[in-house]
Amino acid sequence: SQKIEQNSEALNIQEGKTATLTCNYTNYSPAYLQWYRQDPGRGPVFLLLIRENEKEKRKERLKVTFDTTLKQSLFHITASQPADSATYLCALGDYKLSFGAGTTVTVRA
Amino acid sequence: EAQVTQNPRYLITVTGKKLTVTCSQNMNHEYMSWYRQDPGLGLRQIYYSMNVEVTDKGDVPEGYKVSRKEKRNFPLILESPSPNQTSLYFCASSWGQLVTDTQYFGPGTRLTVL
Repeated sequence: SQKIEQNSEALNIQEGKTATLTCNYTNYSPAYLQWYRQDPGRGPVFLLLIRENEKEKRKERLKVTFDTTLKQSLFHITASQPADSATYLCALGDYKLSFGAGTTVTVRA
Repeated sequence: EAQVTQNPRYLITVTGKKLTVTCSQNMNHEYMSWYRQDPGLGLRQIYYSMNVEVTDKGDVPEGYKVSRKEKRNFPLILESPSPNQTSLYFCASSWGQLVTDTQYFGPGTRLTVL
């Protein structure tokens, strides 16, 4: 069956450092992969979409890579700030969207 | 303001009492869907609709019904709620008929079934 796994542990980092989150998937051949941010008690907010023919995509301090051979996406938050503290979700699909369980990031001032 | 709205935001009910959670979007989006979110399990898709009158099952459709009679509305119906349907529910919509377009999520409905 299809499976999406994200870092199982919460990530605690110091302000200014880079946070790196991992999304691994099995039994998928996605053409697209998405990343969302979710704050407690609120709906997810779209951050980035990367296509299978794109190795890397950037948006401000965010960077996403997509390796279809390794079946893995990495999500980087550079120069992290306390306001980046949230849960980050990866998602795959075309008609049906499947999400990973998320990685909670806490940035210490 | 472009948004997805859900009502009610909070609901406590009893087993077997039919309920409907409404979802409406004002962005003229084609695709709408419902998710439930449970601790440790993440977001799981219940049903989706690629356009009016076309709906299909997601990963966890048992115990739920939907209808898409109008483009803007996509209500979630629980005919006979059970305690295992206690969860946080999100409605989402997107422009195209695929989920590859940006998904816009509603604020969530927290449902407790006693």
